[in-house]
This record gives sequence, structure tokens and C-alpha cells, in this order.
Amino acid sequence: DQQVKQNSPSLSVQEGRISILNCDYTNSMFDYFLWYKKYPAEGPTFLISISSIKDKNEDGRFTVFLNKSAKHLSLHIVPSQPGDSAVYFCAAVTNNAGNMLTFGGGTRLMVKP
Amino acid sequence: DSGVTQTPKHLITATGQRVTLRCSPRSGDLSVYWYQQSLDQGLQFLIQYYNGEERAKGNILERFSAQQFPDLHSELNLSSLELGDSALYFCASSQDNEQFFGPGTRLTVL
Repeated sequence: DQQVKQNSPSLSVQEGRISILNCDYTNSMFDYFLWYKKYPAEGPTFLISISSIKDKNEDGRFTVFLNKSAKHLSLHIVPSQPGDSAVYFCAAVTNNAGNMLTFGGGTRLMVKP
Repeated sequence: DSGVTQTPKHLITATGQRVTLRCSPRSGDLSVYWYQQSLDQGLQFLIQYYNGEERAKGNILERFSAQQFPDLHSELNLSSLELGDSALYFCASSQDNEQFFGPGTRLTVL
């Protein structure tokens, strides 16, 4: 039973355009959400997070949107750059469960010059 | 550089063997987490330690065990290895919700 799903295994966008990565979850107990970026042969790198009491969090080119009623979050990258090409994982946390992260399966983003 | 270190970087061993993976958390982080990433799959949570005590357990096999030492470094022990245990094993540490990951140990079981 996958509690966090990223339904698009891959996404290709042109440099300078917006990248939108989507994530859906089923567990209503999740109260904190994170996005990680992963390059091959490296560990995931924390990008941005959002608490369930917010619906938007912005950090430079990265914005995360949370729609609690739809149990959906998205990561917007604008403008996209070739260096953004990586696998992006969304993750969710239930704070009363030891802070363990439940990860989605990842979306491979390819930004073409 | 996340500040989390893992050794070794690569490990090749045979079925039935036992290996130990090591993780040093970021300075000041009390929580250590272990994750497994099999080929082309997402990261699966294995186990969490907080200040030396087991805090949460995920999909960790009985053949696997972990511990966190007084200096807060952690070891993941994998025994009776099977071909299917070949994967990337990541350690992460945190002070709060954001977890910071090490570079991983790639385990290959032949």
C-alpha cells in the first residue's frame, strides 16, 4: 500500500520553462511534507518543505503547494535550468510516529537546453 | 555536503555473508535513520534511532539489525545476505523534520 505516490516517473521540460512535479498521498495523518532532489550515486538532498498548516512555501525558484482536501502537493521550479535535471522525491512525515519519512517513488526531471 | 558520512561507499560480498554499514550523523543530530533503495525504486524506511534508543521501525527484515552508539554514530548489520539485498543503503540524520542524507553505501551481493 503506497501512501505517497508520484504518478509521473519522468518529466521533460525546456530550459527556462516551468517544471511541475506532482505528489499524492492517502494518509490524512501526514502533517509535514518535503521534497528531495537526488543525483545518481549521491544521497537525496533536501530542497523545500511545507507544514500542513500552510498551503504554499517558496524558496527562490522552488515553490511547494499543498492542497490538503485533495491530499495533493506539487513542486514548481521556475525557471527550470539544466542543472535541475535529477530525480525528485516527495516525502511525508507523521510527527507522532518518530519523524520517519514515507517517500514517493520519484520523478525523473530532464531539463533540455 | 550534508555533513552525514557513510562508510564504505561500495561493498561487494557473497550470499550468506554478513556486513556492517557505518554512519556518522551531522554534528548535534540525535536522530539517525536508515533507508534502503533497491534498483529503480523509492527509498524504504528501515529503522530510526534517537540518542541511542530505537524510535521507529519500518520494513526491516529480521536478518537486519542496527544500533546507535554513545557517540551517536550508527551501524546497520545485514546478515545471511541474499541476492535481493543488493541495494543502496542511505543513512540520514536530523534535529527536526528535515532529514539530511549521507552519500549511501552500494551493496552488491553476488
